Amino acid sequence: DADVTQTPRNRITKTGKRIMLECSQTKGHDRMYWYRQDPGLGLRLIYYSFDVKDINKGEISDGYSVSRQAQAKFSLSLESAIPNQTALYFCATSDFGGQANTGELFFGEGSRLTVL
Amino acid sequence: QKEVEQNSGPLSVPEGAIASLNCTYSDRGSQSFFWYRQYSGKSPELIMFIYSNGDKEDGRFTAQLNKASQYVSLLIRDSQPSDSATYLCAPNSGGSNYKLTFGKGTLLTVNP
Repeated sequence: DADVTQTPRNRITKTGKRIMLECSQTKGHDRMYWYRQDPGLGLRLIYYSFDVKDINKGEISDGYSVSRQAQAKFSLSLESAIPNQTALYFCATSDFGGQANTGELFFGEGSRLTVL
Repeated sequence: QKEVEQNSGPLSVPEGAIASLNCTYSDRGSQSFFWYRQYSGKSPELIMFIYSNGDKEDGRFTAQLNKASQYVSLLIRDSQPSDSATYLCAPNSGGSNYKLTFGKGTLLTVNP
């Protein structure tokens, strides 16, 4: 089983609908992230969380919200989906990145969202 | 706005050649640097991590870092068709509040 699991993997929805993308991890990491990827634009950070009580906006948080239900779970919501939110969404986790580790990101397999 | 610039692709090299991927960054506080490889439709995977100036080699991959010039590169020797992918550069801003900022990526195609 994957260490970082995203559901759903694919979703097609209509404008105005509420959508939730879920992420769970078994790596025991405190830090979790949501990125979106659009062709030619790389990965852009939406929200990140360094522990259950810590939520931070990334560079493109407008139109999104998140919930950190537990250390292992981090959900991304689109309250009212619009077509320009059509993208590939990645959840990622990391450890702190001190001397004992690199702080690299471990990614889920991605959730492809299409908003019609 | 912290920026990460990568050489625009796509980059095409013949099998067996050296592929050179470049990245510049604007945040002088960046302490460490990651290179991720991403196959089409797949999630990124880490291939190199470097934090000291100079070269770091891992098999066919060599990362080169020059913090004074705010430049990091990735060389792939003896390129193989299986190296065909998008390569993402990601500086780490450092400190306890660090997060990775990704470049837009460079698409590499290795032709048999």
